[in-house]
Amino acid sequence: DTGVSQNPRHKITKRGQNVTFRCDPISEHNRLYWYRQTLGQGPEFLTYFQNEAQLEKSRLLSDRFSAERPKGSFSTLEIQRTEQGDSAMYLCASSSTSGVGEQFFGPGTRLTVL
Amino acid sequence: ELKVEQNPLFLSMQEGKNYTIYCNYSTTSDRLYWYRQDPGKSLESLFVLLSNGAVKQEGRLMASLDTKARLSTLHITAAVHDLSATYFCAVGDNAGNNRKLIWGLGTSLAVNP
Repeated sequence: DTGVSQNPRHKITKRGQNVTFRCDPISEHNRLYWYRQTLGQGPEFLTYFQNEAQLEKSRLLSDRFSAERPKGSFSTLEIQRTEQGDSAMYLCASSSTSGVGEQFFGPGTRLTVL
Repeated sequence: ELKVEQNPLFLSMQEGKNYTIYCNYSTTSDRLYWYRQDPGKSLESLFVLLSNGAVKQEGRLMASLDTKARLSTLHITAAVHDLSATYFCAVGDNAGNNRKLIWGLGTSLAVNP
């Protein structure tokens, strides 16, 4: 197993465009998390899936953000009508229900909105 | 609402010296994690602490947890340059039935020759 993977690694877009990121978790993990991290800050929770069910979505997440995990495997995070304030590193993590809750992180997708 | 504070936020130390990073949290939790992040990279799990009095050690790093004081420490012994990175503590949020982590701002560590 190669760990959590994310694509693309970098995305540059113009304000107002839509973007979609993909996360492939560790294969036996049924929990998947999305975080956002800006420079000098810790990761900020966005949303969480157990299998295909989205169990929590941060109040900080506007209606422009949506996440899916259709078959309980990979997940996508879409941002509609991007704004400059959306520029950040978007991190995906996965964990197992049988473990100690340790989350394993992917390399992240760095989004720059011009 | 769970809040997590780390201090110091910046730490510059000489090789061979010892130092401690502190992580305080505001409400009861049964899980605390330490992660390392190198510049431009993702997060690497270092330690998982699940019970009061838990102590874990790996190389020059040792982490401990005092759930009564709501305090965890990450102790660095005889620092070397390779330890230069940002260290985050993350605390499990017991509110609701999820496994969300609340993160500190991180401690940026620079180990100088």
